[in-house]
Amino acid sequence: EAAVTQSPRNKVAVTGGKVTLSCNQTNNHNNMYWYRQDTGHGLRLIHYSYGAGSTEKGDIPDGYKASRPSQENFSLILELATPSQTSVYFCASGDAGGPNERLFFGHGTKLSVL
Amino acid sequence: QQQVRQSSQSLTVWEGETAILNCSYENSAFDYFPWYQQFPGEGPALLIAIRSVSDKKEDGRFTIFFNKREKNLSLHIKDSQPGDSATYFCAASGASGGNYKPTFGKGTSLVVHP
Repeated sequence: EAAVTQSPRNKVAVTGGKVTLSCNQTNNHNNMYWYRQDTGHGLRLIHYSYGAGSTEKGDIPDGYKASRPSQENFSLILELATPSQTSVYFCASGDAGGPNERLFFGHGTKLSVL
Repeated sequence: QQQVRQSSQSLTVWEGETAILNCSYENSAFDYFPWYQQFPGEGPALLIAIRSVSDKKEDGRFTIFFNKREKNLSLHIKDSQPGDSATYFCAASGASGGNYKPTFGKGTSLVVHP
């Protein structure tokens, strides 16, 4: 069974602080994604990666950085967190890298920026 | 500009009824349409998907009807059960410059009353 693990599950941060959200997958998938989910907006793509060492900007990358040091790990970094970044963040891995790609999601990280 | 639209933010049905969730898209290059199901506190999980070469895909109580000419599709949940209460995301992807990353709709929250 595919496994995507996110840590932490919950995080409270202060405005202006640095936040790192971590994601680990044991599926050996090349593609990984970071989404945020907000009421009324659904799932919006922040950053994604095609493999170790690669990161690409998604639809809403401003205020976020990403890092893919290995096939298994993909991090989302908020250098200067703001209250508008309060959200639920989901990491996913993709199994095909093509038009039939299935995404496997983690359980999410609930981030509150005060 | 929203490329994948789900017409209802929420839908309520009674147990045993057929729930119909609608989705439309704008990009003619989309050719793969997965539906993801999300329960509270969890990440989305792939439920069923269809390619644009087909007009119907069935899996148990779940059926996708696809209309390529009209650029819309619908998910039918036959004999709805309270356990089907969840948020359903319509997504789309296609070979746009070799970039297959999926685009999600905003989701439809389905409540099935016993």
